[in-house]
Amino acid sequence: NAGVMQNPRHLVRRRGQEARLRCSPMKGHSHVYWYRQLPEEGLKFMVYLQKENIIDESGMPKERFSAEFPKEGPSILRIQQVVRGDSAAYFCASSTAGQHNQPQHFGDGTRLSIL
Amino acid sequence: AQSVAQPEDQVNVAEGNPLTVKCTYSVSGNPYLFWYVQYPNRGLQFLLKYITGDNLVKGSYGFEAEFNKSQTSFHLKKPSALVSDSALYFCAVRDINNNDMRFGAGTRLTVKP
Repeated sequence: NAGVMQNPRHLVRRRGQEARLRCSPMKGHSHVYWYRQLPEEGLKFMVYLQKENIIDESGMPKERFSAEFPKEGPSILRIQQVVRGDSAAYFCASSTAGQHNQPQHFGDGTRLSIL
Repeated sequence: AQSVAQPEDQVNVAEGNPLTVKCTYSVSGNPYLFWYVQYPNRGLQFLLKYITGDNLVKGSYGFEAEFNKSQTSFHLKKPSALVSDSALYFCAVRDINNNDMRFGAGTRLTVKP
């Protein structure tokens, strides 16, 4: 399967712990986007990254959230000191070369539950 | 900034009947418009897009959408609904000058046998 791979599919954390969500883009894709989806709601843009660069992080909360897309390896969305309100599905999407007329390809998401 | 509205939370149709899922958008420049479908516990799957050209766009699974610039709409349609079309549908818009894609809140389509 050469699609966008996200892991883990489900992640349970206690309040105050750290959550690390991983995303491997489709083969040949160098642009990664992270979205958050609350139950029965649409997707909210969080961050857009290229390899080793954050292009647009206008949707990221100012505190506790960070993202990276290193030269080697998957993109990581990191949430420090998680709170109950962080419970959501987090989706990663990838595309080629940031072309705005191309669709993004989505992974199946990581469902984060905070106890 | 761009935005998308899907005015209906829920659409119910009988199998075999035509379906329409509505979407209106707002952008400052020319829009790129997309429809995605989401099945339970899955990510979004791309259905179709409008970039330029013919206002009627055909996509996957027999779906099509009509771009109407004067009404700033991009409604999703299918001539004959299937029970398997039941899912959550998202409209999305991207300004040609912007990085992020804005999604609507989604419309849950239920097709009853």
